[in-house]
Amino acid sequence: AAGVIQSPRHLIKEKRETATLKCYPIPRHDTVYWYQQGPGQDPQFLISFYEKMQSDKGSIPDRFSAQQFSDYHSELNMSSLELGDSALYFCASSLATGTGGPDEQYFGPGTRLTVT
Amino acid sequence: DAKTTQPTSMDCAEGRAANLPCNHSTISGNEYVYWYRQIHSQGPQYIIHGLKNNETNEMASLIITEDRKSSTLILPHATLRDTAVYYCIVRAHSNSGYALNFGKGTSLLVTP
Repeated sequence: AAGVIQSPRHLIKEKRETATLKCYPIPRHDTVYWYQQGPGQDPQFLISFYEKMQSDKGSIPDRFSAQQFSDYHSELNMSSLELGDSALYFCASSLATGTGGPDEQYFGPGTRLTVT
Repeated sequence: DAKTTQPTSMDCAEGRAANLPCNHSTISGNEYVYWYRQIHSQGPQYIIHGLKNNETNEMASLIITEDRKSSTLILPHATLRDTAVYYCIVRAHSNSGYALNFGKGTSLLVTP
């Protein structure tokens, strides 16, 4: 079965640079979520999109932005990178359907961002 | 979302049942109990969820107490590959999806 695809898998950037992470959800899934997991920490929710509209926002820095495109893939744009942005970034997708029913999230393998 | 409390760590012998408890005493009537796990540095993996009835799937069983204030995830025959951090998450549903609030989780070590 098709899974969530994230690219790139590894990314090394210097401080103050920008980075773009991409997420391709499972086909027919309408909701995408972004999570950040720092070293030794638990995943923290950043932002989500349902049907190409932002649906929820967590602890996402103002330096970060994201969007979901017409083909449902999503991109997380990160600017003015700081050392503390070094983390695993996970994308997850689900089929929310707009009905309020169960919507288990399926996670991608993550992008490991290292800021030097 | 209701707060959950889980043991920090647990051990289980391979082949035995692993019973992972979770307390969620402030759960609301419309909130579900979800379990996810994360094998080292991999993306979290959905396991099972339930509202008030016990649930079973190919991975695990979920036992929810009648008052819904606690639940137990059961891995019936633990294997070494079940070594992971297990997260109990209480969340409502919404029409546009709902973010997961990962707490501290239980680090399960399955030993030979």
